[in-house]
Amino acid sequence: EVQLVESGGGLVQPGRSLRLSCAASGFTFGDYAMNWVRQAPGKGLEWVGFIKSKTDGETIEYAASVKGRFTVSRDDSKSVAYLQMNSLKTEDTAVYYCIRGRRPYAGTSAYYFDYWGQGAMVTVSS
Amino acid sequence: DIQMTQSPSTLSASVGDRVTITCRASQSISRWLAWYQHKPGKAPKLLISKASSLESGVPSRFSGSGSGTEFTLTISSLQPDDFATYYCQQYNSYSHTFGQGTKLEIK
Repeated sequence: EVQLVESGGGLVQPGRSLRLSCAASGFTFGDYAMNWVRQAPGKGLEWVGFIKSKTDGETIEYAASVKGRFTVSRDDSKSVAYLQMNSLKTEDTAVYYCIRGRRPYAGTSAYYFDYWGQGAMVTVSS
Repeated sequence: DIQMTQSPSTLSASVGDRVTITCRASQSISRWLAWYQHKPGKAPKLLISKASSLESGVPSRFSGSGSGTEFTLTISSLQPDDFATYYCQQYNSYSHTFGQGTKLEIK
């Protein structure tokens, strides 16, 4: 059974940093791109970023709203994905989901999302 | 970036009703569209990929259609478990844009 479990969420002051972890199990972690999507309170879903598999060069892309502040990484030996969030703003307050990406064809940089974690709440407030 | 617009934002319906949700893309995305069901406090669930491919385990009352810029999600006979928020998502480009969601409520 595929499982994704996020951890590391919490309350943080504006301008500070936080790192989320996503522990994966039930599939060959290294074969898949891992994505992060967030949902601010009362809002819809917003893609944050992804990291491709090692065989796809571990290419990383980000949404414009977080580029330069957030960093996605992975440790295939531990089956864990990370989201390092720096210079946090109040508008970053959201539930952050870790997601396995499925690509429709080789070479694409776009995915649909077949397995989601339960989410980690990040609250940025003074 | 590709914009995704869903309608309606809220839909009130009764058990047994047939309902349709529309998703429009600001430019052609071929058939690279997914639909998700989201209930409060739970992880979103993938229902349909490539506009009309039903995921394993998803009831056959769910169906998707469309290509290019206009897509629909249809639930043929609403069940109590179907009341949730539904999102479309394009994966034609790496911006992975979602629609704003359609909340399906009990009438």
